Amino acid sequence: SQTIHQWPATLVQPVGSPLSLECTVEGTSNPNLYWYRQAAGRGLQLLFYSVGIGQISSEVPQNLSASRPQDRQFILSSKKLLLSDSGFYLCACRGRSGTEAFFGQGTRLTVV
Amino acid sequence: GESVGLHLPTLSVQEGDNSIINCAYSNSASDYFIWYKQESGKGPQFIIDIRSNMDKRQGQRVTVLLNKTVKHLSLQIAATQPGDSAVYFCAENIRGDSNSGYALNFGKGTSLLVTP
Repeated sequence: SQTIHQWPATLVQPVGSPLSLECTVEGTSNPNLYWYRQAAGRGLQLLFYSVGIGQISSEVPQNLSASRPQDRQFILSSKKLLLSDSGFYLCACRGRSGTEAFFGQGTRLTVV
Repeated sequence: GESVGLHLPTLSVQEGDNSIINCAYSNSASDYFIWYKQESGKGPQFIIDIRSNMDKRQGQRVTVLLNKTVKHLSLQIAATQPGDSAVYFCAENIRGDSNSGYALNFGKGTSLLVTP
């Protein structure tokens, strides 16, 4: 089965600092990959998706960017964090068969 | 856009009772549905799924019912336990929708609280 690794689990960063969250996937190849953000007590907001290496699509214009340098690696970045970037970030993977999506354990980002 | 929603944002049940969490969807092209459980500070976990050619599917202590006529999905949890306390999300797959990289469309979630 597929396993999603996300790190770090928690992160506290000052406003204006850069960000790099990494996600790696095991147990599958050529998956669709996703970054979601979840505000406290809210649902999942899709930020970025990737259907292949180097292919990134953004769902919401914002201060963040994503990259997929390898088939099973997905990175979420920012050059300068804003307070509004605080939230719970989730990486997800979905196979080409179109069944369920698997999620990582998330990164709790607090921008101070 | 948001086409999957939940009737109740919070649900409180006593331990041992059965729980029913409801979800409405609006896209008739939705062909696959999933229920996820999310515990505090963790990523969502798959519970059970159902395809649109079925109206019921059972798992261990959980049952998902699909009513395509009224576009309604429910999750039933039998003999609810304290460990079932979590937020539950329904998600839909829209057939042929390559937008968003075939991302599932998630509802807002229902918080289930199991009291002793």
